[in-house]
Amino acid sequence: DGGITQSPKYLFRKEGQNVTLSCEQNLNHDAMYWYRQDPGQGLRLIYYSQIVNDFQKGDIAEGYSVSREKKESFPLTVTSAQKNPTAFYLCASTPSGGTDTQYFGPGTRLTVL
Amino acid sequence: EDQVTQSPEALRLQEGESSSLNCSYTVSGLRGLFWYRQDPGKGPEFLFTLYSAGEEKEKERLKATLTKKESFLHITAPKPEDSATYLCAVQAGRNFNKFYFGSGTKLNVKP
Repeated sequence: DGGITQSPKYLFRKEGQNVTLSCEQNLNHDAMYWYRQDPGQGLRLIYYSQIVNDFQKGDIAEGYSVSREKKESFPLTVTSAQKNPTAFYLCASTPSGGTDTQYFGPGTRLTVL
Repeated sequence: EDQVTQSPEALRLQEGESSSLNCSYTVSGLRGLFWYRQDPGKGPEFLFTLYSAGEEKEKERLKATLTKKESFLHITAPKPEDSATYLCAVQAGRNFNKFYFGSGTKLNVKP
């Protein structure tokens, strides 16, 4: 089955710790994205990548970092510099950078204790 | 400023009671408008893509339409299983990777 997987589904972190969220896709899509979703708000773009070894900051990149070493993988690290990291994190991908539909993974809910 | 606004924030319907959800947008150079369904604790599920004013798409009880300023998601004779949050997103301008999302309409269909 083709699709986007995110792991883990739930993640708990203590304040001051870095944590990495996984996103893998087997759709052969070029572009991948990370969004953050908070209750009552629209999705906000954290980072995106159009090709391997290249990525761009979105609207709320502070306190986050990413890498794109493989086409199918786009992990997101939430660092201790992120002041309010508790949220639902969504990974998405599109076939290319043109007018293409974004497809989403199941999400990871991160809770900072 | 590019913006996407969805209304109402929440909508309660009786089973079989048809209604419409609105997505209005102010963006430069619309490239595509997308509708998604999102169930609690899950990722958005793609429903429709609309590219130009006048375009319509249908899927079961759902029909999406597009004008130059807004899109409607019409729900005909809804069932309880249609209960979800419906998200609208717009892709615009020269930056292909910029998708603007509305905050969603939470639909509750009661039997």
